[in-house]
Amino acid sequence: AQTVTQSQPEMSVQEAETVTLSCTYDTSESDYYLFWYKQPPSRQMILVIRQEAYKQQNATENRFSVNFQKAAKSFSLKISDSQLGDAAMYFCACPNYGGSQGNLIFGKGTKLSVKP
Amino acid sequence: NAGVTQTPKFRVLKTGQSMTLLCAQDMNHEYMYWYRQDPGMGLRLIHYSVGEGTTAKGEVPDGYNVSRLKKQNFLLGLESAAPSQTSVYFCASSYYRDTGELFFGEGSRLTVL
Repeated sequence: AQTVTQSQPEMSVQEAETVTLSCTYDTSESDYYLFWYKQPPSRQMILVIRQEAYKQQNATENRFSVNFQKAAKSFSLKISDSQLGDAAMYFCACPNYGGSQGNLIFGKGTKLSVKP
Repeated sequence: NAGVTQTPKFRVLKTGQSMTLLCAQDMNHEYMYWYRQDPGMGLRLIHYSVGEGTTAKGEVPDGYNVSRLKKQNFLLGLESAAPSQTSVYFCASSYYRDTGELFFGEGSRLTVL
């Protein structure tokens, strides 16, 4: 069964600086997708970025980018030029291929605080 | 665009009472899911549906029932609420099961006293 591990329950970053959130996963699939979701205090889950495992190039969305290491099964999220609005819970997720548990398996989340 | 809408947003129940959470999506998605979110636990799948008239158990299905009579609606029922079911519940939908983005509702906070 797939697992997703976020080893940092909480992180803090100074406004305008860069922070990296870690995620490791376990899957037996060779082709798959990985996701980072953001959950601000409003509770709404918002997709931040998606990576396709067969693509060598790391995904980038404005200030958000990933460092995808397929062999190491690592999928970290880098936030550049951090803003106050980036403060939120961040969840890493991987599809549960072939199992009976539906679509995405989520990590337990990392709470990011941004200091002004 | 409404996307995924959950009702109600908040509810307080007494132990033993029943209730139904309604999820509606207007994106013509085949797949729909109910998750619960608890502190330090991330999101855990309760039940899901791969199409109208179908339902299946997820990771934590006990104490819940679901129905998908119409493609756009996915109902989550609690027949006899327990304090352990105090949680935030999220409905989500997707077009592609294994590769696609999940679209979430705003969540429903349920408290069982």
